[in-house]
Amino acid sequence: GENVEQHPSTLSVQEGDSAVIKCTYSDSASNYFPWYKQELGKRPQLIIDIRSNVGEKKDQRIAVTLNKTAKHFSLHITETQPEDSAVYFCAASIRFGYNFNKFYFGSGTKLNVKP
Amino acid sequence: NAGVTQTPKFRILKIGQSMTLQCAQDMNHNYMYWYRQDPGMGLKLIYYSVGAGITDKGEVPNGYNVSRSTTEDFPLRLELAAPSQTSVYFCASNPGQASYEQYFGPGTRLTVT
Repeated sequence: GENVEQHPSTLSVQEGDSAVIKCTYSDSASNYFPWYKQELGKRPQLIIDIRSNVGEKKDQRIAVTLNKTAKHFSLHITETQPEDSAVYFCAASIRFGYNFNKFYFGSGTKLNVKP
Repeated sequence: NAGVTQTPKFRILKIGQSMTLQCAQDMNHNYMYWYRQDPGMGLKLIYYSVGAGITDKGEVPNGYNVSRSTTEDFPLRLELAAPSQTSVYFCASNPGQASYEQYFGPGTRLTVT
């Protein structure tokens, strides 16, 4: 099955700096790559996603890049704010029969934004 | 819409006990999933369903069972609970077709002692 690796496991940045989280995947059939933010005790919340036919996507301070050849994708957060502090998960999805998506998650990055 | 709902929010079980985690969605989604999230880790797929009456195993199905008698409900059954099943359990749904996004429930925190 698919294997998703995520780095770093913890990341501490100063408010206003940028943060970058990287993920690699193993199965070239993966075609959808979401990023989730999870606050303590809460459910994962989708913050941005990218499909395999797109190389980059941006939404205000958040961007995701995808390199299909190298099988890696990254989350970029600019102008970080204390409220960005949370655990971030990447995932890779493979579509099977019935148009069904199976998701494989990275192990998470704990982002701490220091005021 | 209430979205995806889960009950209970918290539960403590003794070793060997059984219980059912409830999950329901009111969005008429065909695809539903059960995940577990161990401390400091990502989500692992336990079971999934592509529609009423159709279920299949995910990455970590041992010790669990599911059923899908209706589109709305997807309960997860734990038989003979073990400490290794201490985790947070998330149910999710996806409409399928052109949509890839998963909608998560609020989670159930289960402790087995």
